[in-house]
Amino acid sequence: SAVISQKPSRDICQRGTSLTIQCQVDSQVTMMFWYRQQPGQSLTLIATANQGSEATYESGFVIDKFPISRPNLTFSTLTVSNMSPEDSSIYLCSVLGTGSTTVSYEQYFGPGTRLTVT
Amino acid sequence: DQQVKQNSPSLSVQEGRISILNCDYTNSMFDYFLWYKKYPAEGPTFLISISSIKDKNEDGRFTVFLNKSAKHLSLHIVPSQPGDSAVYFCAASGNSGGSNYKLTFGKGTLLTVNP
Repeated sequence: SAVISQKPSRDICQRGTSLTIQCQVDSQVTMMFWYRQQPGQSLTLIATANQGSEATYESGFVIDKFPISRPNLTFSTLTVSNMSPEDSSIYLCSVLGTGSTTVSYEQYFGPGTRLTVT
Repeated sequence: DQQVKQNSPSLSVQEGRISILNCDYTNSMFDYFLWYKKYPAEGPTFLISISSIKDKNEDGRFTVFLNKSAKHLSLHIVPSQPGDSAVYFCAASGNSGGSNYKLTFGKGTLLTVNP
C-alpha cells in the first residue's frame, strides 16, 4: 500500500480564518479522496480529487468552502475556508489501492489532520 | 439517514477469545464491504474486505461474514490479542466497476482486548 503523509498533523485556528491541509503520497495515484470525521461521527467523504480535472464534491460540501487542488499524481491540498467551530474535525486524505484483482475498492488513509476552531 | 450502522459503540473481550464486531447496512446497492482498524492519532488501516458475490473471506485471524439477505456483516477476530484494541469501522461501497469509489462508513466500535 502507498505511504501517505499529511501536514499539519494538528492545528488550532480562529474562526473566520482558512487552513490548507497537504497530502503527499509516495507513489503516483489516479484518485485521491478527502474525508472528514466530526467528533463522535463516522468518516464522511468530502470530495474526490482527480489530477487534471475539477474535484467532485459530495452532497453538502461545496467548492467555495472546501477548495481542493490536485497539481500532480502524488499531491493534493484541501482548504477549509472561513472556518467556524463546526469545522472542528479530523480531515483525512486517502488513495485508491491497486490490488491484484480486476477491481479493488480498498482505500488507504493518511494519518489525518486534527483541526480545532475556536 | 445512516446507511451503515454499527450498533455497538464498544466491545470488551478477554485475550485469546473471539471478538465479533457487527455491522448492518440499508442500501441494497452496496456490493463491496470493508473493515478498517483505527488507533488514536492515526488514520484508518485497511483490514479485510468482501465482495457481495461471497459470503465469507478469511485472512489470518480475521474473517468477515456477509449475509446479504439480512444486510448484515460481521468481523471475527480469533484469537483476540491486546494489540487488537482499537476502533473498528465498517464501510460499504456501491460501485460496479464505475468511477465512483465513495465509501460509506459506520460510526465505529471500540474494541478492548483485556490481557
